Parts: sequence; structure tokens; C-alpha cells
Amino acid sequence: EAGVTQFPSHSVIEKGQTVTLRCDPISGHDNLYWYRRVMGKEIKFLLHFVKESKQDESGMPNNRFLAERTGGTYSTLKVQPAELEDSGVYFCASSQVSRRSYNEQFFGPGTRLTVL
Amino acid sequence: AQSVTQLGSHVSVSEGALVLLRCNYSSSVPPYLFWYVQYPNQGLQLLLKYTSAATLVKGINGFEAEFKKSETSFHLTKPSAHMSDAAEYFCAVSAALISNFGNEKLTFGTGTRLTIIP
Repeated sequence: EAGVTQFPSHSVIEKGQTVTLRCDPISGHDNLYWYRRVMGKEIKFLLHFVKESKQDESGMPNNRFLAERTGGTYSTLKVQPAELEDSGVYFCASSQVSRRSYNEQFFGPGTRLTVL
Repeated sequence: AQSVTQLGSHVSVSEGALVLLRCNYSSSVPPYLFWYVQYPNQGLQLLLKYTSAATLVKGINGFEAEFKKSETSFHLTKPSAHMSDAAEYFCAVSAALISNFGNEKLTFGTGTRLTIIP
């Protein structure tokens, strides 16, 4: 079974440009999470989808960030316009939705974004 | 609100020596606790988790961790380090499902990079 995949693995853009990151969750996983790690700091939660609905976007830094999950499958995270402080590694994770005590999140390899 | 503190951003141990990575947490609700490992160029992989069952949790690759509520700690240990253990380790906390159904977002520590000395 394929794991969580993310594209691209690396992206280098200039300040003011737009970048779109993509995440393909494990098939059948309705929960999808985005996290970000700025260099040297902790991995921080950005937002959570259940299917195509945003359940919690409390971690989104500002309105330059837009996440979508069309049809409840893959998700995109667009940064427009990008700023220097947006540089970091963006992780996506997915999990099943169930009433078990815990639904393990499976992480993708991340997209390393560098804004120059 | 929840938070995680990992003491030591870099830890070096000799091959065959004890590995001890420290994690302290803060949580206003019953916590679930996790250790993740990230090998170079790979995603985060779950090592082990505490979800309110046994306080001593065994994970993959010989790692284990003990939940100590009185000390708000969840330290990761391995009796004998192997070269393949070199990686970055993250401690994380989530609110227990009963108190936060549906959103199991993780709050992470800053990570500890483990180096194994031959």
C-alpha cells in the first residue's frame, strides 16, 4: 500500500512568488493534516481536514496560505505571495476516521520550501 | 493548551551505550503521547505511543518509554544504541480522543538529533 506522498520534494522560489504544495494521503484516510517546521524549531500544526471539510485551521499563519482538499482526496497548500519567513519543511499526514482510542497519523516525507 | 519540551537538541552516545532522550509535556486534558523518528530524507515514523493503557510502552527497534504523570514526563530509552539509530527524534502530545473527538492534531517538541559514536 502506498504511503503519504508529497510533491514537490523541494521548491526554491523568490519572495513574492506563488507556490503550491500537494499531498496525496493514504487511500481511504479521511483525516488529512498539514504541519510545518521552520528551521530549528518545532513542527507546528497548520490545519486539519475531514474529507473535503476544514475542521480546524487555527494553525494557519495568515491569509497568504490557502489549503484545499477537492473531493476529499488529495490536498493542496498554496502560499501567495511567499515571504522569507515561509521557508521550512511542510509535512502532510493522514489517518482514518474512527472511534478507536487513537488513529495513527502517517506522515509524508515533506516538502522543503526555500524562499529567497 | 498543550506543549512539549525536549531537553537537548543534540545527543551523542557511543554504540552499545544507553540511549535516553528526554521529553516533558504540559496538557490541560488527559494526554496521548508519542515519539516519532525521522531518518534522513524520510517522513516521520511512529516509534511508540501512550494512549492511557500501560504506562511502560514498547515500540519498534527496541525503544521504550514510560509515562510518568507525577513528573509529566515521557522519556525515550533504548538499552544499547546501534548505528542505525542515528536520526532525529520528536516527542509529541495530543488531547485524548474522549475530550477532543475528531481532531487528533499533534503538538511537537523541537526535536533531538541523536548521533551514534562508533
